[in-house]
Amino acid sequence: GAVVSQHPSRVICKSGTSVKIECRSLDFQATTMFWYRQFPKQSLMLMATSNEGSKATYEQGVEKDKFLINHASLTLSTLTVTSAHPEDSSFYICSARDQRGTQETQYFGPGTRLLVL
Amino acid sequence: SQQGEEDPQALSIQEGENATMNCSYKTSINNLQWYRQNSGRGLVHLILIRSNEREKHSGRLRVTLDTSKKSSSLLITASRAADTASYFCATDAPGGGADGLTFGKGTHLIIQP
Repeated sequence: GAVVSQHPSRVICKSGTSVKIECRSLDFQATTMFWYRQFPKQSLMLMATSNEGSKATYEQGVEKDKFLINHASLTLSTLTVTSAHPEDSSFYICSARDQRGTQETQYFGPGTRLLVL
Repeated sequence: SQQGEEDPQALSIQEGENATMNCSYKTSINNLQWYRQNSGRGLVHLILIRSNEREKHSGRLRVTLDTSKKSSSLLITASRAADTASYFCATDAPGGGADGLTFGKGTHLIIQP
């Protein structure tokens, strides 16, 4: 089956630093990837849609200058949390649609837990 | 925007019993999916039901969809301790593969041995 990986799985950083999270589709190509955020005991909230070769589309209320997204290739999207603050601490999950077939199913990565001190 | 609402928010049952979780949504959908998430882990896709389908089975899972009521249910039969997890419904709005999913708040299921 389709596999999506994320790196790192866990990161702790100091307030004010930037953190980059990678999302890779390992055995399929994805023109579209999605970034979600999940706070403890809550559901996933879509942050942005990452489009290969073009600008990301951000959901309302998500700051594009704070959460930089780059979809450099058909298998890699990166999310950079700039000038991280403790309130950015969360579980970040990416997903990708296999561009073959009907694209109905999104394949999710294992998530990245970010803790900002 | 968050549109899915699951109930109950938490459910605790004995191993071997059936577990039923419900999900409601607000707008038109292309399909509805159910995912499982173990504590602190990623999502596992369970089943997808299209808007023109009413019921779907996969092993011990049974999903129903009522588009007139904008609701879906997930039934897990003969539950096992390993089924303990959070379960989320997610809807995919009409528009094709360009849209992200909208997740419900989830049901935390505990199976007691």
